[in-house]
Amino acid sequence: EVQLVESGGGLVQPGGSLRLSCAASGFTFSSYAMTWVRRAPGKGLEWVSSITGSGGNRYYADSVKGRFTISRDNSRNRVFLQMNSLRAEDMAVYYCAKNDNGYYTGNFNSWGQGTLVTVSS
Amino acid sequence: SYVLTQPPSVSVAPGQTATISCGGNNIGSKSVHWYQQKPGQAPVLVIFSYGDRPSGIPERFSGSNSGNTATLTISRVEGGDEADYFCQVWDSRSAHQVFGGGTKLTVL
Repeated sequence: EVQLVESGGGLVQPGGSLRLSCAASGFTFSSYAMTWVRRAPGKGLEWVSSITGSGGNRYYADSVKGRFTISRDNSRNRVFLQMNSLRAEDMAVYYCAKNDNGYYTGNFNSWGQGTLVTVSS
Repeated sequence: SYVLTQPPSVSVAPGQTATISCGGNNIGSKSVHWYQQKPGQAPVLVIFSYGDRPSGIPERFSGSNSGNTATLTISRVEGGDEADYFCQVWDSRSAHQVFGGGTKLTVL
């Protein structure tokens, strides 16, 4: 059974940083791209960033490019999201999701329960 | 960037059929995926690619896609189907994943 468990969320001041982590199990981690998706209060789902199975290619939404960095450790079955220069509009529940292939196109067929990021002074 | 347009809300009586649209330029040429999200829960994939269902998703859920509109159809709607539904595609031109704005399904 696929399991994705996010951690690292919390309260941070505007301009601050936070590092999210997602621990994966139940599948061959390095064979699949991984993605972060967020949902802000009262808003819909928003794609944030994806990384290919090998970690060789990374993709970012325009809203976070230059501030967020996605990475993965295939030896530890983990994917990370380093978030810098956080803004009020980054406040959301952040979900880790497994892509259905090793590249990063396609759908997200498994999701974690999410971790809440609150940006406030 | 590629835009997906969904109606904000759809209401249907139990036992009836709900249809949720997802509009996009020539979306019929793309693979469209649909997610269900209930309050406080993670999204769940309910339809992928060209109308396929993941294991465990009831046959009541189906998908179609042609021209500029993709459609999620839920037959014999039950109270447990009340949720937010999102369509999603991969836009090759921008190399971005794109979600529709979401549709809140209310079961009357």
